Amino acid sequence: SAVISQKPSRDICQRGTSLTIQCQVDSQVTMMFWYRQQPGQSLTLIATANQGSEATYESGFVIDKFPISRPNLTFSTLTVSNMSPEDSSIYLCSAYLAGGPHEQFFGPGTRLTVL
Amino acid sequence: AQSVAQPEDQVNVAEGNPLTVKCTYSVSGNPYLFWYVQYPNRGLQFLLKYITGDNLVKGSYGFEAEFNKSQTSFHLKKPSALVSDSALYFCAVRDLASGYSTLTFGKGTMLLVSP
Repeated sequence: SAVISQKPSRDICQRGTSLTIQCQVDSQVTMMFWYRQQPGQSLTLIATANQGSEATYESGFVIDKFPISRPNLTFSTLTVSNMSPEDSSIYLCSAYLAGGPHEQFFGPGTRLTVL
Repeated sequence: AQSVAQPEDQVNVAEGNPLTVKCTYSVSGNPYLFWYVQYPNRGLQFLLKYITGDNLVKGSYGFEAEFNKSQTSFHLKKPSALVSDSALYFCAVRDLASGYSTLTFGKGTMLLVSP
């Protein structure tokens, strides 16, 4: 299994500012993912972050708004840029172990409120 | 494309009664199926998975799920519900044959177990 931690756990931000969320995995993983979960909703994939290459973004999400870094096999960051109240959500980091038991592991989430 | 449907927004059961949370899926190849649970203000916790083999899979906290290929279903069940089972449940699928690497989630079903 893998244990995933995220920082910060929650934040309240002003519109127009940016927030960087950190994700740390206790095992080396090939693929990491960032999801958004709006209140009472399901999870929506933002992007897939591979080490050593550009992140792959899902439809509706762009790099300028959600830049992602993946400097090594255990760490990734997601930045929410130029925030608006519509960005208020829970942001979840996830990963699975290649060659492992197939399930994806999730971090506890970062609860973002934009005023 | 892969997709998951959870037809019920909410399921209500009395403590001690059996519970079922429904899930159907659509994939182009063979499905990898998962159930996750989310407690309030928490991340997602893995419950169980179907990869191959027996159609009835057992998971954490006494939950089980039955894979039915002809009905493309993967319903979550528990013989005797507990109040502490009250949470949001997500069904998810991954179809590696399509080359899609991550999970697609259903919209979630809120389970409420009354004392």
